[in-house]
Amino acid sequence: DADVTQTPRNRITKTGKRIMLECSQTKGHDRMYWYRQDPGLGLRLIYYSFDVKDINKGEISDGYSVSRQAQAKFSLSLESAIPNQTALYFCATTTTKGLADNEQFFGPGTRLTVL
Amino acid sequence: GQSLEQPSEVTAVEGAIVQINCTYQTSGFYGLSWYQQHDGGAPTFLSYNALDGLEETGRFFSFLSRSDSYGYLLLQELQMKDSASYFCAVTSGAGSYQLTFGKGTKLSVIP
Repeated sequence: DADVTQTPRNRITKTGKRIMLECSQTKGHDRMYWYRQDPGLGLRLIYYSFDVKDINKGEISDGYSVSRQAQAKFSLSLESAIPNQTALYFCATTTTKGLADNEQFFGPGTRLTVL
Repeated sequence: GQSLEQPSEVTAVEGAIVQINCTYQTSGFYGLSWYQQHDGGAPTFLSYNALDGLEETGRFFSFLSRSDSYGYLLLQELQMKDSASYFCAVTSGAGSYQLTFGKGTKLSVIP
């Protein structure tokens, strides 16, 4: 079983719709991240959370919101989707305990298309 | 802010050695990581350098020079399966565990 899972894996939606992407992890990690990836632009950080009560904006948080429902779950919402939010979205986790520094574990990604 | 520069594409022959360079500009630099991503897949961690010098992970080496704000990933005995995108990423601030990624280098290994 995968340690970091994302649902849905693929989604097409219309402009203006609200959509939620979900991430779950069984690694017991405290830190979780949401990134988006666009061709030629690498991975850019949207939001990150160091624990259930700690949420932080990343480089490109506008148009997005997040919820850390439990240590294992971190959801990303697009309140009103727009076409330039079409991208590949990754969730990642890490821990401050016992790992090589900065080893983040990524989920399989969600490919979102906004029409 | 932070910025990273790495070549967009590199092509190398199976069995050869290839080096992917990364230069960065950042405040409060803490370390440089490398990630591999195959087409359609998730990024996976390869290596991390916090101190100057060379780290070895199997067929791969990663190097860091803090004074030059420069690092590289060196892949030897290239295999077709090494065809992938490679991203350098910097961490700024001790214990922050927040990464800023470069735009990635697409490595094509040819027979």
